[in-house]
Amino acid sequence: AQKITQTQPGMFVQEKEAVTLDCTYDTSDPSYGLFWYKQPSSGEMIFLIYQGSYDQQNATEGRYSLNFQKARKSANLVISASQLGDSAMYFCAMRDLGTSGYALNFGKGTSLLVTP
Amino acid sequence: ETGVTQSPTHLIKTRGQQVTLRCSSQSGHNTVSWYQQALGQGPQFIFQYYREEENGRGNFPPRFSGLQFPNYSSELNVNALELDDSALYLCASTLMNVAGGQNEQFFGPGTRLTVL
Repeated sequence: AQKITQTQPGMFVQEKEAVTLDCTYDTSDPSYGLFWYKQPSSGEMIFLIYQGSYDQQNATEGRYSLNFQKARKSANLVISASQLGDSAMYFCAMRDLGTSGYALNFGKGTSLLVTP
Repeated sequence: ETGVTQSPTHLIKTRGQQVTLRCSSQSGHNTVSWYQQALGQGPQFIFQYYREEENGRGNFPPRFSGLQFPNYSSELNVNALELDDSALYLCASTLMNVAGGQNEQFFGPGTRLTVL
């Protein structure tokens, strides 16, 4: 069974600083995908970044990058140059790419507050 | 805006009642998934529909059921409501293809259900 662990219930960062949100995972599947989503107070889940288990390079999307360490089973999200609008819940999720389904397994999330 | 809409936005029901939640997928998407997000938790996978057939289910009892229509809109039905069913219900659509892979899911804004 897959398991996602986010150990930081809440994080603070000052505007324009970088912040790292931790995510560790456990799976016996050799082929899997890792996702990060942002959930503002409005409730909608916004896709940020994706990393495949066989991808050789760490994924980057604008100010978001994923620090993927396969041997340590970690997939930390790095947000550079934080903005006030980055304040939200952040969820790490994974899915088994070997199945036809698309069930995402989410962690409990990290609440990020960006201060001026 | 993801193009995925859900109705209603909020709903209040009493224990034992039945409820139907609706989701309109992004145009061209053939797969819809439903998630339950309790307060302070990450979303939990309920089930997934692909071309009008259920093709994956999480650890939810049979009183949670669904439908997907030819236009790829979807319903989540919950019978015999319990207090613990109070949650944000999210639907997500994607275009499932043979290659699998990222298949980014696009989430709707959710329906907040309160069971009294």
